[in-house]
Amino acid sequence: DVKVTQSSRYLVKRTGEKVFLECVQDMDHENMFWYRQDPGLGLRLIYFSYDVKMKEKGDIPEGYSVSREKKERFSLILESASTNQTSMYLCASSRIRGLGNSPLHFGNGTRLTVT
Amino acid sequence: EDKVVQSPLSLVVHEGDTVTLNCSYEVTNFRSLLWYKQEKKAPTFLFMLTSSGIEKKSGRLSSILDKKELSSILNITATQTGDSAIYLCAVVRVSTGKLIFGQGTTLQVKP
Repeated sequence: DVKVTQSSRYLVKRTGEKVFLECVQDMDHENMFWYRQDPGLGLRLIYFSYDVKMKEKGDIPEGYSVSREKKERFSLILESASTNQTSMYLCASSRIRGLGNSPLHFGNGTRLTVT
Repeated sequence: EDKVVQSPLSLVVHEGDTVTLNCSYEVTNFRSLLWYKQEKKAPTFLFMLTSSGIEKKSGRLSSILDKKELSSILNITATQTGDSAIYLCAVVRVSTGKLIFGQGTTLQVKP
């Protein structure tokens, strides 16, 4: 079974802090994704990566950056956390570019609260 | 602008009922549609639909895609309390491979 592990289940940070959310997958997947999930808005894509050191903006990249130095690890960085970044963050991975035959596998999520 | 819309947004039923969840989309270069179930934690994959009119089935759950109507339904028969979850629909675009998610339908099954 594919395992996608997010380092923290719950995080509480103060406004202006730099926040790192870590995600590791153990199935040698090429693709990795960061989403945020908010009530009534569903899942929205922040950033994704098709390969090591490659990254592409999703639909809501403002206020975020990412790092993919190793194939198995994809980090989401909030340079200066703000209260409107309070949300559930979900990491996901998939095997094949384009997702034609490979559904996403999700981590358990990190619930971030910015006070 | 591409969008995926699910209905209803929430639903409360009793055990044994049958439910139908809807997903409609307006997405250029459609590739496939996926359904996920999310309980307390990670969304788990249910179905991937690519061809119109072919039903996918897993136990009491089934789903079908209608490309003419740009929609899909997810049916759950003889519901159980363990079916209580958020059901997510997502569409994949050919050009980017990205998933576009709907808002989700929150299903509560009462004993």
